[in-house]
Amino acid sequence: EDQVTQSPEALRLQEGESSSLNCSYTVSGLRGLFWYRQDPGKGPEFLFTLYSAGEEKEKERLKATLTKKESFLHITAPKPEDSATYLCAAASGGSYIPTFGRGTSLIVHP
Amino acid sequence: DTGVSQDPRHKITKRGQNVTFRCDPISEHNRLYWYRQTLGQGPEFLTYFQNEAQLEKSRLLSDRFSAERPKGSFSTLEIQRTEQGDSAMYLCASSSEAGAEAFFGQGTRLTVV
Repeated sequence: EDQVTQSPEALRLQEGESSSLNCSYTVSGLRGLFWYRQDPGKGPEFLFTLYSAGEEKEKERLKATLTKKESFLHITAPKPEDSATYLCAAASGGSYIPTFGRGTSLIVHP
Repeated sequence: DTGVSQDPRHKITKRGQNVTFRCDPISEHNRLYWYRQTLGQGPEFLTYFQNEAQLEKSRLLSDRFSAERPKGSFSTLEIQRTEQGDSAMYLCASSSEAGAEAFFGQGTRLTVV
């Protein structure tokens, strides 16, 4: 069974304090690793797709990387508006159904 | 606006009543997913469609849950005889093809009283 585990569950940072969020996955034949941002009461907002180990994607203060067993979302010099829950999902071969982790709740203090 | 649209955004119902939610995917997206999300958890997969074909429905939570996608366009999710445990956010997402990123709607928040 496909599994996605995210850590930490919660993270508090000061504005400007860089950090990384981890996503470990166990899927049979990774077909895509996805990162989303979710604000309270709203649907997840797509951020990145990664397909193969070594791939990296960047968007503003966020950078996502992928290895054969895990993905990292690096946040550089975060701002309070980066506060949200960050979700990771992995789609495996066969059905390609994205399986989600529980998310990391990020709070950035000014 | 060409994003995924869900209706209603909020639904309060009495226990035992039936409810139906609608999802309009991004046009020309042939994959449509339904997920359920409870507080503090990630989205939990329920079912998905490839065009009008429902290819996976074993993860629907019980036989009270059913989904349709007539003509491969919009989709509906119905919950019969609602229970308090059905209270959650129901999310719909669509993607252009298998393995591509899925785009989500804003969800329908269901409260069963």
